[in-house]
Amino acid sequence: DTAVSQTPKYLVTQMGNDKSIKCEQNLGHDTMYWYKQDSKKFLKIMFSYNNKELIINETVPNRFSPKSPDKAHLNLHINSLELGDSAVYFCASSQGAGEINEKLFFGSGTQLSVL
Amino acid sequence: GENVEQHPSTLSVQEGDSAVIKCTYSDSASNYFPWYKQELGKGPQLIIDIRSNVGEKKDQRIAVTLNKTAKHFSLHITETQPEDSAVYFCAASIPNFGNEKLTFGTGTRLTIIP
Repeated sequence: DTAVSQTPKYLVTQMGNDKSIKCEQNLGHDTMYWYKQDSKKFLKIMFSYNNKELIINETVPNRFSPKSPDKAHLNLHINSLELGDSAVYFCASSQGAGEINEKLFFGSGTQLSVL
Repeated sequence: GENVEQHPSTLSVQEGDSAVIKCTYSDSASNYFPWYKQELGKGPQLIIDIRSNVGEKKDQRIAVTLNKTAKHFSLHITETQPEDSAVYFCAASIPNFGNEKLTFGTGTRLTIIP
């Protein structure tokens, strides 16, 4: 059983399209995250949710809208895709409410390519 | 905000030798320093972490050292094996009343030469 699973693994789309990435964790964790990893492998947090409530929003463009229907799911919807959105997007979860010292469990990533 | 610098960006070592990766951080309030390993096609995985009240921590072939005065911390891998080949990320976290977030370094691609 995969602890943090995200779909799809690969996503190729045209500029201007709208797409969604889904994430689910079966660890019973309270907090979930979206991270973006660019072509240089730089990892940067985008959002975090605790029990369906947004707690971190790192000045991400409004075209990105996360949604957490319950604490086991955190989806990411992206409107009007741009070339610069091409990256690998990682979902992660942790046990606590975004506290330090909490181990992050990452999914295997979604490679988004915008053409 | 916190800024984490990581060196080197690439590192090749002979199998059996040791590898050292170094990171510096900017905010003296940071008090948690994990290291993540990312294998090809996978998400990062925590391998070791250290808190600011500890100077060194060891787990089998992996050790991390922290120098709070100098604001730097290092990952040491001894007796390297081919399966140690991966990208390694350091990170630092500042307490923020439940809104803590990790700032990652830029990564080190470690290659173990058989």
